[in-house]
Amino acid sequence: SQKIEQNSEALNIQEGKTATLTCNYTNYSPAYLQWYRQDPGRGPVFLLLIRENEKEKRKERLKVTFDTTLKQSLFHITASQPADSATYLCARILTGGGNKLTFGTGTQLKVEL
Amino acid sequence: DGGITQSPKYLFRKEGQNVTLSCEQNLNHDAMYWYRQDPGQGLRLIYYSQIVNDFQKGDIAEGYSVSREKKESFPLTVTSAQKNPTAFYLCASSIGGISGANVLTFGAGSRLTVL
Repeated sequence: SQKIEQNSEALNIQEGKTATLTCNYTNYSPAYLQWYRQDPGRGPVFLLLIRENEKEKRKERLKVTFDTTLKQSLFHITASQPADSATYLCARILTGGGNKLTFGTGTQLKVEL
Repeated sequence: DGGITQSPKYLFRKEGQNVTLSCEQNLNHDAMYWYRQDPGQGLRLIYYSQIVNDFQKGDIAEGYSVSREKKESFPLTVTSAQKNPTAFYLCASSIGGISGANVLTFGAGSRLTVL
């Protein structure tokens, strides 16, 4: 079966450093990988998406990479700030899978002063 | 401002009762979704609807029911048949279509607790 996995352990980093979060998938490459941010008790908010034929996307301090050989997407936040502390979710859509998203469990990021 | 409104924010239910969670969107999106979120688990798809008067089961539809009589509204009923209904429920919408990136816009969520 198709799986999408994120590190369940929280990631603690110091302010100003780059945070790197990992999303791994099994079997077929997704047509799209999306990244969302979720704050406690709130709904997720879309951040970035990357297509299977793209290697990298950027938006301000955010960068997403997609490696179909490793079956992995990395999500980077440069110059991290305490306000970046949240849970980050990755989600995939498969080619021919209609428009259903499958989400990972999310990784909690804590940026400390 | 356009968005998705879920209500109530918090809901308590006695065992054996049905409850209905409301979801309304004014984004003119065709597709709407219901997800359930439990601690340590990803969002799991309950039901989705790509067009008015049509909906499909997701991965964990047992014990739930939905309707899609209007484009703007997609209420979810948690029935007494749902064995473990305590969870955080998220409604989402998207422009829709079979192909494409299908970016979701989520509501703020409804937390259901069974007493």
